[in-house]
Amino acid sequence: GDSVTQMEGPVTLSEEAFLTINCTYTATGYPSLFWYVQYPGEGLQLLLKATKADDKGSNKGFEATYRKETTSFHLEKGSVQVSDSAVYFCALTGTSYDKVIFGPGTSLSVIP
Amino acid sequence: DSGVTQTPKHLITATGQRVTLRCSPRSGDLSVYWYQQSLDQGLQFLIQYYNGEERAKGNILERFSAQQFPDLHSELNLSSLELGDSALYFCASSVEWAGANVLTFGAGSRLTVL
Repeated sequence: GDSVTQMEGPVTLSEEAFLTINCTYTATGYPSLFWYVQYPGEGLQLLLKATKADDKGSNKGFEATYRKETTSFHLEKGSVQVSDSAVYFCALTGTSYDKVIFGPGTSLSVIP
Repeated sequence: DSGVTQTPKHLITATGQRVTLRCSPRSGDLSVYWYQQSLDQGLQFLIQYYNGEERAKGNILERFSAQQFPDLHSELNLSSLELGDSALYFCASSVEWAGANVLTFGAGSRLTVL
């Protein structure tokens, strides 16, 4: 079945460091891909999305490119801030089914 | 405020009891999703409704049931509660039922079973 795999956390970075969180997926057809973020004590919220191959989603300095050839959607940010400390979830949904499938989440802590 | 309202925010109950969690979707959204988030299982999809009809079912136990009412709010009923049911339960809503759906999540209901 369809699935999403993310790098294991937790990830701890110093402020202004470069961030990469790997995400790969298995899906039939052409899924849409998402990154959601969950700040402490809150629900998940959409960070960015891409709906077709080679699309780049971006928001708040974060970017991810839909790579069909490697079935990947890695999240990157050039310079993280303490306020980016959160749990990041990669997710996918297809056009032919209803479920949104989430990865296990990657916890990020940014220290000053 | 995401526009998705969940009540109660916190709930403490005993094993064997039954609870009901309520969700009001964002205005204009027809689809409601329920997820369970626990430390060891991550974010697990339970069930989805679209305009009152069940659309998809995930890892929902037989002790759990849900429905979506004509005014589009949804309730998740958890019965014969066990210690392992302690978790955060999230409701999310979206406009459509499939495709490039963006989910809007509520703040969650934290259930503690003692």
